Amino acid sequence: GAGVSQSPRYKVAKRGQDVALRCDPISGHVSLFWYQQALGQGPEFLTYFQNEAQLDKSGLPSDRFFAERPEGSVSTLKIQRTQQEDSAVYLCASSLGDFSPYNEQFFGPGTRLTVL
Amino acid sequence: AQKVTQAQTEISVVEKEDVTLDCVYETRDTTYYLFWYKQPPSGELVFLIRRNSFDEQNEISGRYSWNFQKSTSSFNFTITASQVVDSAVYFCALSPLGNAGNMLTFGGGTRLMVKP
Repeated sequence: GAGVSQSPRYKVAKRGQDVALRCDPISGHVSLFWYQQALGQGPEFLTYFQNEAQLDKSGLPSDRFFAERPEGSVSTLKIQRTQQEDSAVYLCASSLGDFSPYNEQFFGPGTRLTVL
Repeated sequence: AQKVTQAQTEISVVEKEDVTLDCVYETRDTTYYLFWYKQPPSGELVFLIRRNSFDEQNEISGRYSWNFQKSTSSFNFTITASQVVDSAVYFCALSPLGNAGNMLTFGGGTRLMVKP
């Protein structure tokens, strides 16, 4: 398929563990977004990349959260020393970026993180 | 600051009933986009519609219709003759128009349950 893919789909971590969540955007998409969706709530913005540059990280909840996209394609969201409040679905979205008149975001299936 | 409010957290209807999902937004931007997404139990966000703030014309797509009223900052979504397959969580979202990194601000979602 040519959609956004994320792995793993499910992750269970013990409190204090580090986790890494992967996002493969649609090929050629310049922009990449991470969102956090807590149970029963709407997604909330975490961070945004344009190619390899992280242009906005204002939504990252703490310095335990770190995202990278070193080659402007695949992105990894890392959470250090996980806490129970980090339990959520982490959604990745990509878009063509400024080259597209509408910048429509296409979402992946998400990674459900459960911290015990 | 941007804010999207979906006052209805859960709606239950019987198949073939019409149902309207409400969305009210706040933004200081004079130009912006409004969106509706569907999130079925599988978790992936499915794009339904995008409107820009210049265009207040209502839109109909099959059983779906959208009513955008800038004067009341509302963007309501109506499903006509609902079907069981319409059961999902629906999110209204807002983003600035024309900016790089046009992150989406989501409402809290409305869970629609259509019973046979």
